[in-house]
Amino acid sequence: DVKVTQSSRYLVKRTGEKVFLECVQDMDHENMFWYRQDPGLGLRLIYFSYDVKMKEKGDIPEGYSVSREKKERFSLILESASTNQTSMYLCASSLGGREKLFFGSGTQLSVL
Amino acid sequence: AQRVTQPEKLLSVFKGAPVELKCNYSYSGSPELFWYVQYSRQRLQLLLRHISRESIKGFTADLNKGETSFHLKKPFAQEEDSAMYYCALEGSSYKLIFGSGTRLLVRP
Repeated sequence: DVKVTQSSRYLVKRTGEKVFLECVQDMDHENMFWYRQDPGLGLRLIYFSYDVKMKEKGDIPEGYSVSREKKERFSLILESASTNQTSMYLCASSLGGREKLFFGSGTQLSVL
Repeated sequence: AQRVTQPEKLLSVFKGAPVELKCNYSYSGSPELFWYVQYSRQRLQLLLRHISRESIKGFTADLNKGETSFHLKKPFAQEEDSAMYYCALEGSSYKLIFGSGTRLLVRP
């Protein structure tokens, strides 16, 4: 079974801190994604990557950056956390284009 | 631009009643459409995709290109169907976009 692991289930950070959210998948998937999940807004795509060192902006990339130095790991970085970035962050991976996504269990980030 | 619209935030039905969760999309090309489901305290997971034409847990969805819709249907709802349902569209460039979700509540 594919496993997508997010390093933290809950995180509490202060405004202005630099925050790293880590995601690792163990099935050699090409594509990886970061979404944020907010009530009433659903899942919104932040960034995605279809290959090592490749990244593409999603619909809401502002305030975020990503890193994919190895195929299995996709990191989301909040350079200077703000309260409006308090959210559930979901990482996902897929074998390739138009294939189903496998999701991690999510990281609930609170920025105070 | 790619867009997915789920007009209902909450759909409440009684057990045994038919269910239809609405999904409309906007995309100029040939889309790949999915339904994902999130049960309480579980990960988001694929329910079905239009290209496979499968029926999963009694759910079906038909792509209507004329109406740009991909509604999810089940003839007889069960209590265990209570969950959050998301419609999703993949257009070009591996970009998968989700709708805002519909919470289905099946009452006994």
